[in-house]
Amino acid sequence: DIQLTQSPSFLSASVGDRVTITCRASQGIRNNLAWYHQKPGKAPKLLIYAASTLQSGVPSRFSGSGSGTEFTLTISSLQPEDFATYYCQQVNSFPRTFGQGTKVDIK
Amino acid sequence: EVQLVQSGAEVRKPGSAVKISCKVSGFTFTDYYIHWVRQAPGIGLEWMGLVDPDDGETLYAEHFQDRLTLTADTSTDTAYMEMSSLTSDDTAVYFCTTATVTTSLREFDYWGRGTLVTVSS
Repeated sequence: DIQLTQSPSFLSASVGDRVTITCRASQGIRNNLAWYHQKPGKAPKLLIYAASTLQSGVPSRFSGSGSGTEFTLTISSLQPEDFATYYCQQVNSFPRTFGQGTKVDIK
Repeated sequence: EVQLVQSGAEVRKPGSAVKISCKVSGFTFTDYYIHWVRQAPGIGLEWMGLVDPDDGETLYAEHFQDRLTLTADTSTDTAYMEMSSLTSDDTAVYFCTTATVTTSLREFDYWGRGTLVTVSS
C-alpha cells in the first residue's frame, strides 16, 4: 500500500496568513493526488485533484503543486471558514489511501 | 442536484453485523463506482472498498476482505455496505462517496453525510 505522510500534523495560524501543507508519498504516484478539507461532523470536501487542478467552486486562494512523491497545498490568505482538517489522498492505485491529516487551528 | 443519502445511526453488539444504505440521486447510478470510507473517532480517513453498480463487481481493502460485503441495487439506486464480526474498533462514521466527471473520475467529489456505527456491549 502507498503510505502518505503529511506535515505538519497541527498548524496554528491567523486569518490572512499564508499556509502550506506537505504530503509525501512512499512511492511515486505521478500527479494522482487529491486534497480535501473536513470540518467537525461533516463529510470531507474535495479542494484539489490531479495535484494542482482546483475543483469547481473552490476559491482560488487554494492551490496545489507537486508530482511524484512530494506535494503541497497552499492557502494564500487563510479565511475563517478554512479552519479545518486537511487530508491528502492518492488515487494512483488501490487501495486508496489518505494522509493522517493536518489540523489548522486559529492562533 | 447530486445527493447520496445514507441511513441512520446504528448500535450493534460485538460479534454482530451491520448493514448501511446509501441512496443515490442526481446522476445515473450505474455510471460511477460507489466507494465506502470510514472514520473512527478522532482518527483519519480509511478507504474500505468500492462497488460497480453496473455489474456488481467489487474491490475491497485487504483489511476488510473477510467481513465486508458491498452491493448495489439498480432497481432503487441504492448501495449497501454490510460488515460482519464487529468489534469496538469498528465504531466509526461510515461514508459513501463517488467520483464523477467533475474530476478525473478518481477523486471523491460527492459524499453522503455519514452513518455513525457504535459497537458496544
